[in-house]
Amino acid sequence: GAVVSQHPSRVICKSGTSVKIECRSLDFQATTMFWYRQFPKKSLMLMATSNEGSKATYEQGVEKDKFLINHASLTLSTLTVTSAHPEDSSFYICSAIPGGTEAFFGQGTRLTVV
Amino acid sequence: AQSVAQPEDQVNVAEGNPLTVKCTYSVSGNPYLFWYVQYPNRGLQFLLKYITGDNLVKGSYGFEAEFNKSQTSFHLKKPSALVSDSALYFCAVRLSNDYKLSFGAGTTVTVRA
Repeated sequence: GAVVSQHPSRVICKSGTSVKIECRSLDFQATTMFWYRQFPKKSLMLMATSNEGSKATYEQGVEKDKFLINHASLTLSTLTVTSAHPEDSSFYICSAIPGGTEAFFGQGTRLTVV
Repeated sequence: AQSVAQPEDQVNVAEGNPLTVKCTYSVSGNPYLFWYVQYPNRGLQFLLKYITGDNLVKGSYGFEAEFNKSQTSFHLKKPSALVSDSALYFCAVRLSNDYKLSFGAGTTVTVRA
């Protein structure tokens, strides 16, 4: 299957700082990528749809100024958690749908804000 | 609107026994249905999908699922479970013309030796 690579896999940051998470499609081009958040032992919540060369589309209730998404190329989307707080601690996962049917997911990023 | 229900939080089976993980869905239109598996602190791995055609679909690692339109179900099955199948399983649905996936709450499968 297609490969989606996410980096870093784990990050610890201090409250008030910003953290950038990268999502790359390694063997295909992705005009659209998706960012999810997952709480412990819970389902995935779609945060936003990342569109190459244009603004991201955020789901209702997701603060676009807190979760900045940039999709500057056909193989890279980034999620920046700005002014992070402990409540932003979570597991963040990106995905893409290269063939038009099933989605492929990155390995996920465990963010801990202390 | 679309939604997915996984009625069981946990499924426990003995190794070698059949495994079933239940999923029902609600969608306005023709569904694309998927099963994914997640191991601790990892992303989701694709297992199988139903798009159209044969109602019984076979996927990775010996898993299969049956699409039942009248019951709006897409249960995941494996004839003989392995300890290594212990993981968190998600059912997901979307429409053919919308890439947004809706996930079930997930079912934790524990296979005991």
